[in-house]
Amino acid sequence: GENVEQHPSTLSVQEGDSAVIKCTYSDSASNYFPWYKQELGKGPQLIIDIRSNVGEKKDQRIAVTLNKTAKHFSLHITETQPEDSAVYFCAGANQAGTALIFGKGTTLSVSS
Amino acid sequence: DSGVTQTPKHLITATGQRVTLRCSPRSGDLSVYWYQQSLDQGLQFLIQYYNGEERAKGNILERFSAQQFPDLHSELNLSSLELGDSALYFCASSKNPGGNNEQFFGPGTRLTVL
Repeated sequence: GENVEQHPSTLSVQEGDSAVIKCTYSDSASNYFPWYKQELGKGPQLIIDIRSNVGEKKDQRIAVTLNKTAKHFSLHITETQPEDSAVYFCAGANQAGTALIFGKGTTLSVSS
Repeated sequence: DSGVTQTPKHLITATGQRVTLRCSPRSGDLSVYWYQQSLDQGLQFLIQYYNGEERAKGNILERFSAQQFPDLHSELNLSSLELGDSALYFCASSKNPGGNNEQFFGPGTRLTVL
């Protein structure tokens, strides 16, 4: 089955810097890769996703890149702000899959 | 606000007891997923329902069961509770079945077993 590895587990940046979180997946049939942001006491919030037919997707300060050959995908946050501080989860799924397989999460801290 | 609602927000109970967690999906979504989040295991898929029918099972214990009703709300039943069942339980919903559809999560139910 699918396995998703996520690095780093913690990431501290200064306000205005960029943050990058990386994930690798094991199932070459995986074709959907969402990213979730979870703030303390709340449920995971879908912030961006990418499908295997594209290599990059952007939404304002957030971008995701996908390398199918290497089986890894990354989340890029530019011009970080204190409100970006949260736990970020990557996940993977394929068409035959019944649910998302999540990475272990990255705790991002943005200090001002 | 994702549009997915879960009740109760917090639940404190004793070992050996049984509890029921409730979830209402987003308007128009037919599929409901249940996930367990614990510090050591992360987010783990438990079970999925689509339009009232069980579609898939993940790492769900035999002591746990779920169902989806005709109005599409879902309930997760946890019985013979153990200390290790203490966790956050999330419900998510999507329009279509299958892991490669956008899933929107509810705020969760925090279960504490004493």
